[in-house]
Amino acid sequence: GAVVSQHPSRVICKSGTSVKIECRSLDFQATTMFWYRQFPKKSLMLMATSNEGSKATYEQGVEKDKFLINHASLTLSTLTVTSAHPEDSSFYICSARESGAEQFFGPGTRLTVL
Amino acid sequence: QKEVEQNSGPLSVPEGAIASLNCTYSDRVSQSFFWYRQYSGKSPELIMSIYSNGDKEDGRFTAQLNKASQYVSLLIRDSQPSDSATYLCAVNTNAGKSTFGDGTTLTVKP
Repeated sequence: GAVVSQHPSRVICKSGTSVKIECRSLDFQATTMFWYRQFPKKSLMLMATSNEGSKATYEQGVEKDKFLINHASLTLSTLTVTSAHPEDSSFYICSARESGAEQFFGPGTRLTVL
Repeated sequence: QKEVEQNSGPLSVPEGAIASLNCTYSDRVSQSFFWYRQYSGKSPELIMSIYSNGDKEDGRFTAQLNKASQYVSLLIRDSQPSDSATYLCAVNTNAGKSTFGDGTTLTVKP
């Protein structure tokens, strides 16, 4: 149990385009989902926390207009990187939590912006 | 001071030895503690959770928590080369938000 999927696993896009990443909890209802980014050999950086049906809470320094988060249902959250630039290239990871304290991570999405 | 601190390593142990990973946290009201394993290029995988003082064992893994000292550790017995990874300590507050340490890189040498 506690399986979280992400799609796509890898995406390459041109600068200025927008990219949508999906995060799904496959066998449980996720009351809360989290979005992280991670640069090579660096720690996880929490970008935002999203609760189903409400606006996401963004961490300090994360532009909410740049990184659009939608948590439309208890099993799906999406992150859209708008007008992507090369500095947005990173490993984006979502995690989901049901009612307990444990987070379960998706496999991650590697974004490369040319 | 970071909220969650870990030695970055690398920590190197021979195969079959015990690997000891340590983590300290600053928020005294923290309630939940987790250890994740992250292989290079992959996302973190939950391996242990601990909520009360003392030891919790699961197979070759033992988590130890000391809330008075604000210290949580992970012991890996009979270390295997496949245990080579970065281990992340995570701490939850009452608000439910997780704070991650920077991770300790473990290398188990055959």
